[in-house]
Amino acid sequence: GAVVSQHPSWVICKSGTSVKIECRSLDFQATTMFWYRQFPKQSLMLMATSNEGSKATYEQGVEKDKFLINHASLTLSTLTVTSAHPEDSSFYICSAWAKNIQYFGAGTRLSVL
Amino acid sequence: AQSVTQPDIHITVSEGASLELRCNYSYGATPYLFWYVQSPGQGLQLLLKYFSGDTLVQGIKGFEAEFKRSQSSFNLRKPSVHWSDAAEYFCAVGLTGGGNKLTFGTGTQLKVEL
Repeated sequence: GAVVSQHPSWVICKSGTSVKIECRSLDFQATTMFWYRQFPKQSLMLMATSNEGSKATYEQGVEKDKFLINHASLTLSTLTVTSAHPEDSSFYICSAWAKNIQYFGAGTRLSVL
Repeated sequence: AQSVTQPDIHITVSEGASLELRCNYSYGATPYLFWYVQSPGQGLQLLLKYFSGDTLVQGIKGFEAEFKRSQSSFNLRKPSVHWSDAAEYFCAVGLTGGGNKLTFGTGTQLKVEL
């Protein structure tokens, strides 16, 4: 149980385009999901907390207009990287919260050319 | 603010040897404690957790961890390491009533020599 699916696993896009990443809890409902960014050989950096039916809460220093988060249902949160630039290239990981535990997706590797 | 320290960035052990990965946290109360494992290019898998009760907790893949309040530690152990255990290990702390956020340590990269 407690499976989180993240899609796509890898995406390449041109600079200036937008990319959407989906995070789904497959066998449970998650009122809260989290989005992280991970740089090579580093730990996870929390970007934002996504709550179903309300606006996301962004961590300090994260541009909310660049990283749009939508949590329209209890099983789906999306992260849209708008007007992507090469510096946005990174590994993005989502998690879904249930019973005091965060369950993680497999991550999305974003490469912006 | 709470913090999590994993003092060892890299650890190399021989297959079949025992393993201990260290984790210390800084927080006024007892937090929720977690160990996750990450294989290259993958997300994080929960190995085990501590919320309350017995301070020695068992997890998946033969791992265990012991919560020591006096030392603010939550070290991960495995009696006999397998080559497939090579991965990055993260200790994480969650606040009770803290909005479900986690604070992660910097991770320990485990290499297993055959």
